[in-house]
Amino acid sequence: QQQVKQSPQSLIVQKGGISIINCAYENTAFDYFPWYQQFPGKGPALLIAIRPDVSEKKEGRFTISFNKSAKQFSLHIMDSQPGDSATYFCAASIGSGYSTLTFGKGTMLLVSP
Amino acid sequence: EAGVTQFPSHSVIEKGQTVTLRCDPISGHDNLYWYRRVMGKEIKFLLHFVKESKQDESGMPNNRFLAERTGGTYSTLKVQPAELEDSGVYFCASSQDQWGETQYFGPGTRLLVL
Repeated sequence: QQQVKQSPQSLIVQKGGISIINCAYENTAFDYFPWYQQFPGKGPALLIAIRPDVSEKKEGRFTISFNKSAKQFSLHIMDSQPGDSATYFCAASIGSGYSTLTFGKGTMLLVSP
Repeated sequence: EAGVTQFPSHSVIEKGQTVTLRCDPISGHDNLYWYRRVMGKEIKFLLHFVKESKQDESGMPNNRFLAERTGGTYSTLKVQPAELEDSGVYFCASSQDQWGETQYFGPGTRLLVL
């Protein structure tokens, strides 16, 4: 049973457009929701994270929207750029520090020039 | 500051052989995690060290996998004997301490078992 479901599997967006990636989770004990960005040949790198006490978090062009009642969260990339082309993973964990991450399957984003 | 490093970057072995993967975490990080991504699937947790102790090894697939963390520094993950389904990318990550939320990932080791 997959605890974090991510969609879409792949996404093509024109430069300047908005990229939206969605995730849904099952375990209501999850309380930390990071997004990781991975470029080819590199490891995943933390992009932005949110806790369920807020409904939205914005860092530059990246925004996480969180809906606790629906058990869903999404990543919005505003003004998408070719340099944003990468694989994006949503994840969830219970607590922080010692907690292991449960990942979605990933979304391959291609931003066309 | 150096990031998490992993060696080798790629490994191609035949079924039945043994492979040992190494991870060097960020200096001073107590937590070390191993994850694996099989092609097309999610990144899955394998195990977690706190310093030299195994905190959680619930994700280890079977007893063909053996992880160690010598002196709380680098870690090795040995697969013996390797099977076809062990192919994938093995990631190591580290975080500072029990308050360190961010896990810093290495570039991964791409393992192909033929």
